[in-house]
Amino acid sequence: SQQGEEDPQALSIQEGENATMNCSYKTSINNLQWYRQNSGRGLVHLILIRSNEREKHSGRLRVTLDTSKKSSSLLITASRAADTASYFCATDARTGGSYIPTFGRGTSLIVHP
Amino acid sequence: DGGITQSPKYLFRKEGQNVTLSCEQNLNHDAMYWYRQDPGQGLRLIYYSQIVNDFQKGDIAEGYSVSREKKESFPLTVTSAQKNPTAFYLCAISRGAAGPYGYTFGSGTRLTVV
Repeated sequence: SQQGEEDPQALSIQEGENATMNCSYKTSINNLQWYRQNSGRGLVHLILIRSNEREKHSGRLRVTLDTSKKSSSLLITASRAADTASYFCATDARTGGSYIPTFGRGTSLIVHP
Repeated sequence: DGGITQSPKYLFRKEGQNVTLSCEQNLNHDAMYWYRQDPGQGLRLIYYSQIVNDFQKGDIAEGYSVSREKKESFPLTVTSAQKNPTAFYLCAISRGAAGPYGYTFGSGTRLTVV
């Protein structure tokens, strides 16, 4: 089951612009994570925000979380061509006694030099 | 990839064959996961294991099997019952719930039916 859904599915911008991706989810969460995937590679963890946090920063990344709307956004400022990748949100939902990471379909970001 | 190794990187399967994908970790993490990724799609959970000798089905377990005889290893077998196995397979590990560093992924195995 897809817990998180990213929006937009694809985003094309020029180098130096900001890129904003959104994620909506369905059930209560323990935390929400954002990952990056370069073509043909595994996912790399970018940032984790806990359910009691509203905003978090890491370098050029800014993540917000609104648990009342069950949504999160990832902002990449001053984008670079090297930021071209797919970006996924994942939620850590508790299933029985286990935490299961559930991923959305991702946003494909292209940054033109 | 940071203590988790998937092999092979590319795998070709003939119709009717079973193939096994390897996932090994040296981070002493308890939990291991297998995901399938199709083009333009997200990750779908196949199987997961929280402790040795125990594993649970995910959303798309049909046609797949796993074992967890050692903490370090969680191999995935794609059986002949899986009718559309061509996909990118990703293994991930964690201590349990996602810590500050989230889940750690391997570099993936691309399986193609020929």
